[in-house]
Amino acid sequence: NAGVMQNPRHLVRRRGQEARLRCSPMKGHSHVYWYRQLPEEGLKFMVYLQKENIIDESGMPKERFSAEFPKEGPSILRIQQVVRGDSAAYFCASSPPQKETQYFGPGTRLLVL
Amino acid sequence: AQRVTQPEKLLSVFKGAPVELKCNYSYSGSPELFWYVQYSRQRLQLLLRHISRESIKGFTADLNKGETSFHLKKPFAQEEDSAMYYCALRSSNTGKLIFGQGTTLQVKP
Repeated sequence: NAGVMQNPRHLVRRRGQEARLRCSPMKGHSHVYWYRQLPEEGLKFMVYLQKENIIDESGMPKERFSAEFPKEGPSILRIQQVVRGDSAAYFCASSPPQKETQYFGPGTRLLVL
Repeated sequence: AQRVTQPEKLLSVFKGAPVELKCNYSYSGSPELFWYVQYSRQRLQLLLRHISRESIKGFTADLNKGETSFHLKKPFAQEEDSAMYYCALRSSNTGKLIFGQGTTLQVKP
């Protein structure tokens, strides 16, 4: 089992561009969580998804951010019209049924110039 | 409000010394608490969870509901324990994790 995969590992965007972050959960896991870590801060929950459903998006900024977890393929976190304040490390975690241990990916480090 | 507080950003000890990384929480209901560790250039991984009451790599943590604490302890620190440690609380509703700010443990030779 390869573990949770995230790509790209590093992403550089200019202000106003779009950023797409991908997360492939561990085999057999159908639950995905996204967390953001701003510089000098801890990880903050963004969104929790199951296949084709958003279960909890209470941590997502109201604008420009969206997430999906389609029936086939990885989960995608999409940030439109990026701003410098979006520069952060974005971590994805997956788990089998809810309330099981979450396994983390290596993160995507987004830098907005 | 659900919150996890790790008051120390950096804890520096000598090899062989005891270690205690502090964690306090705020949660209405029965909390489920975890310690995660991130070694240099590696991903975040689960160290231990309070419900399993186990010792991993010599670390233990006891949930103290009266003091709302879940401090991580090890009697004799090793250099390989140097890492970033995060305390986390799991929401019983959706399973999302609420993390503290993290404490960097530095074990000097």
